[in-house]
Amino acid sequence: SSELSQPPSVSVSPGQTARITCSGDSLPKQKAYWYQQKPGQAPLQVIYKDSGRPSGIPERFSGSTSETTVTLTISGVQAEDEADYYCQSADDSGTYWLFGGGTKLTVL
Amino acid sequence: QVQLVQSGAEAKKPGDSLKVSCTASGYHFPGYYIHWVRQAPGQGLEWMGRIFPNSGVTNYAQKFQDRVTMTTDTSTSTAYMELSSLKSDDTAVFYCVRGGEGAQSDYWGQGTLVTVSS
Repeated sequence: SSELSQPPSVSVSPGQTARITCSGDSLPKQKAYWYQQKPGQAPLQVIYKDSGRPSGIPERFSGSTSETTVTLTISGVQAEDEADYYCQSADDSGTYWLFGGGTKLTVL
Repeated sequence: QVQLVQSGAEAKKPGDSLKVSCTASGYHFPGYYIHWVRQAPGQGLEWMGRIFPNSGVTNYAQKFQDRVTMTTDTSTSTAYMELSSLKSDDTAVFYCVRGGEGAQSDYWGQGTLVTVSS
């Protein structure tokens, strides 16, 4: 399989919970990584290996997985979380990386 | 600490070739893949390919297969990505990314902006 699918946009009010999904046939076999990207900046990893949180990433960021879908959850969204979010994984063989199309998170 | 530092912005003309460097520090360079990712203005992230410095083995995305060459110099812990026959729609920021087995990824370079225009 060669695709990861994300919703183009998600909007939430401050303090609410944002959920961004990423679907792909390879996800049961390959781990997923989530990146936050703000304008003019390089992507920043916010979740690794489906649900791990790198040092320095706030606890409100969490990841989960269920069959062919992985989900990034941001609890108690803050204005500073407004950004583009990308999921990243690999094909079944683990050779070729895949990126989702990106989801623009808007904090209302 | 792990760092990937890329070469500076470049302006190219259609038909030119491009070579971007990515110098790694803070880890054992030969033991991790270096991947290259392209991001056109206002667009998403696009994987171009990877190289394993210890062996020089490469894997390229089909889209770039006939135009890209990835190499490394382990003596200087530097990876290079060369893209030939540039077109205006190659205008983008190019990133190098450290990778492990499979989908594993972590550190990114700061990005190199390449503008292709006549």
